[in-house]
Amino acid sequence: QVQLVQSGAEVKRPGASVKVSCKASGYTFSRYAIHWVRQAPGQRPEWMGWINVGNGNPVYSQKFQGRVTFTRDTSASTVYMELGSLKSEDTAVYYCARLMDPSRYFDWYFDLWGRGTLVTVSS
Amino acid sequence: ETVVTQSPATLSVSPGERATLSCRASQSISGNLAWYQQKPGQSPRLLIYGASTRATGIPARFSGSGSGTEFTLTISSLQSEDFAVYYCQLYNNWPPALTFGGGTKVEIK
Repeated sequence: QVQLVQSGAEVKRPGASVKVSCKASGYTFSRYAIHWVRQAPGQRPEWMGWINVGNGNPVYSQKFQGRVTFTRDTSASTVYMELGSLKSEDTAVYYCARLMDPSRYFDWYFDLWGRGTLVTVSS
Repeated sequence: ETVVTQSPATLSVSPGERATLSCRASQSISGNLAWYQQKPGQSPRLLIYGASTRATGIPARFSGSGSGTEFTLTISSLQSEDFAVYYCQLYNNWPPALTFGGGTKVEIK
């Protein structure tokens, strides 16, 4: 079954870091780029960046540059998103999403999404 | 940064009626636009990409049109399962940026 399975909900203190995993199955992991999108309660989705799963190169949204890191483990078919210096405003559901067409890295449409990981930042 | 505005914020429609949703970009994005449907507690679902191409498995009652700065999603005859929030999404590859509109909630009238 083609799917992205994300890690479970997290509760963090302000200033801490969180690492969310996204495990792919049912398709050739290295062929498809993975993007990360977050959605705060009642808000529009917000793009964080993407990782070229084939070579591991990340691209970050300017907003998160310096605070977020994308990595991947090809042996585990898993990508990771780590966000540091957490603030209450980082409370959101974090999604990984697969690029629709592996041959078109620059057509950013997503046909497969994880179910999301709720990250709550609270003191 | 390209600003994306969706209208209306809420659309009240009776089942079987037509719904027309609008998405406006602050600068021309050619056809680099997608539409997603999101239901409470669920991930977004891709409906339309490239402004007018239906994604795999999407019913023909969903159609997209537009180019440049003005885009439209039309649901020709609303079914009960179509009541949801709809987001448009556009992107620029360089500098890398991807933006979602504020969403249109389609509710039962």
